[in-house]
Parts: sequence; C-alpha cells; structure tokens
Amino acid sequence: EVELVESGGGLVQPGGSLRLSCAASGFTFDDFAMFWVRQAPGKGLEYVSSITFNSGFIRYADSVKGRFTISRDNAYSSLYLQMNSLSPEDTALYYCAKGTTGTPLYGMDVWGQGTTVIVSS
Amino acid sequence: DIQMTQSPSTLSASVGDRVTITCRASQNISIWVAWYQQKPGRAPNLLIHTASTLGSGVPSRFGGSGSGTEFTLTISSLQPDDAATYYCQQCPRYPLTFGGGTKVEVK
Repeated sequence: EVELVESGGGLVQPGGSLRLSCAASGFTFDDFAMFWVRQAPGKGLEYVSSITFNSGFIRYADSVKGRFTISRDNAYSSLYLQMNSLSPEDTALYYCAKGTTGTPLYGMDVWGQGTTVIVSS
Repeated sequence: DIQMTQSPSTLSASVGDRVTITCRASQNISIWVAWYQQKPGRAPNLLIHTASTLGSGVPSRFGGSGSGTEFTLTISSLQPDDAATYYCQQCPRYPLTFGGGTKVEVK
C-alpha cells in the first residue's frame, strides 16, 4: 500500500524551529517529485515547497523562502522540511504529498494525514 | 504568481443533480490543472489531472474540461458522498497555486 506518514509537528514559540519528516512506503520513492502543502485552520490549501526526484530542482513559496529548507533522503524514502524563524502565520496542518510523476505537471496523487504545527507563545 | 479563481465558493444541490465548478487562471496554463476533493478532517484526494484525466479509482461521475485559462469540474449526478470542498491547482508554474475552494453541500 502506498503511504506517507508525517511527523515532527508540535507547539513552538515564535522564532523557533521545527523539523518535519515524511516517511514514504509502497512505491519507488526516488522516482517521484515530492511536495509540502499546508492548510491553516479553516483555510484552503497552500503550496509550501517541492523537490524533484534527485533534489536537483527545489522551489519554495515566497512566504517561506529563506526560512524553510526541503530535503530528501532517497536511501531512507524520507522527505524533510526544516522550518526556522517560525511565526504565528506558519500555524497549519502540514501535508506531505507525492507527485503523480517525476514532475509537478500531473498533480499530487498521494497525501499523508498531515502533522500539526502551532506557533504561539 | 498565477492566481486561480474558483466559483462558486459554496453550492448546495440535491442528490442526482449535475454540478459544475469553475476555475479561472490568471495566465494561460494549457491543460496543466489538477482538481482535488477534501472531506472534513481528511487529506485532499486527487480527482483529475491534466484538466480531464481521472485519477486512479475516481468514480466516472466526475469529469474535467477546459484549457488555457478556463477549467471546469463537473459531477454528473451528485451523490451524498460527494459532500466536500473541491480545489483546483495550477501545475506548470512556481509557486504552485490552488484555488480558494468550493464547498459542496448535498441537500
């Protein structure tokens, strides 16, 4: 079964850091682009970051650029999101998602259950 | 950034009705649109990619059309299980962007 399981969320103070992880199983991880998408409470979906199969092409939303770093370890079928300088505006449910193919053109066909990040003092 | 404008933001329809949701892109994105369904408390689920190709396991009552800047998601015969919020997403340009969502209520 194809599955993505996020972890690492929690409560953090403004200015703090968190590292999210996403463990993938049931597919050949290094064949696919991977994404982080977040959803603030009661709001819509927001793209955060993406990474190609070989980490050769990485992109970020302007709202997180310079603060968040996406990475992957194909040997461990894992995706990561290092989040620094967190602000209350980063409070959201963070989803890990798998690209339908090696590019973003065909959407995201598998999503994890999400991990919650709350930034508050 | 490419803006994706969905309409309506909410709709209410009866079982068996034909339902249409529209998404307008601020730039030409050819056929590179995906549609997702999200039920309360659940992760999004890919319904359609490349504007009209059904995702794996998606019921045939869902359909997509359009190209360029205008796209449509159609549910041919609304079912109780279709109560959800639907999002479009443009896929070719970074940052990837989603529409604001359309909440569908089944009467």
